[in-house]
Amino acid sequence: GAVVSQHPSRVICKSGTSVKIECRSLDFQATTMFWYRQFPKKSLMLMATSNEGSKATYEQGVEKDKFLINHASLTLSTLTVTSAHPEDSSFYICSARGLAGLNIQYFGAGTRLSVL
Amino acid sequence: SQKIEQNSEALNIQEGKTATLTCNYTNYSPAYLQWYRQDPGRGPVFLLLIRENEKEKRKERLKVTFDTTLKQSLFHITASQPADSATYLCALDILMDSSYKLIFGSGTRLLVRP
Repeated sequence: GAVVSQHPSRVICKSGTSVKIECRSLDFQATTMFWYRQFPKKSLMLMATSNEGSKATYEQGVEKDKFLINHASLTLSTLTVTSAHPEDSSFYICSARGLAGLNIQYFGAGTRLSVL
Repeated sequence: SQKIEQNSEALNIQEGKTATLTCNYTNYSPAYLQWYRQDPGRGPVFLLLIRENEKEKRKERLKVTFDTTLKQSLFHITASQPADSATYLCALDILMDSSYKLIFGSGTRLLVRP
């Protein structure tokens, strides 16, 4: 299957700093990328959907100024957690769908963010 | 309200048996339904996709059924192995605002005993 690379896998930062997470589709062009957040033993919660070259669409309750998403190319999307606080600590996972359709989403390995 | 429900309790079975996981949903009309496997600390891995007009799909030891009248999908793993132990997520593919979004259930943890 297609590969989605997410980096870093783990990050620890101080409260008030910003953290950038990268998501790349390695062997296909991703028309749409998605960002999810997952709390321990809970389901994946969709945060936002981004299409290449346009602004991301955020789900209700997700602060767009806190979670900045950029989808600059068909293979790269970034999520920046701005002015991170301990309550932002979570597991963030990106996902991508390709041009070929089939409605299959491929997921990155996730990023564990810990804000001290 | 809209819900996707999977058994919250872990499913514990003996190696070699068939594992059956359930996904029920309300107030959704998914075009597709997908099953994913998630291991601890990792992202989900795609397993199977079934369309709304399909009743059953198979892939090796995996079988998925989809009943849009009952609003239910069943996921079967035959001849289960300890390596099948993981959390299995059901996801509905919903068309919203001209694009598809995957909405996930909370997952069922499967433990296969040797």
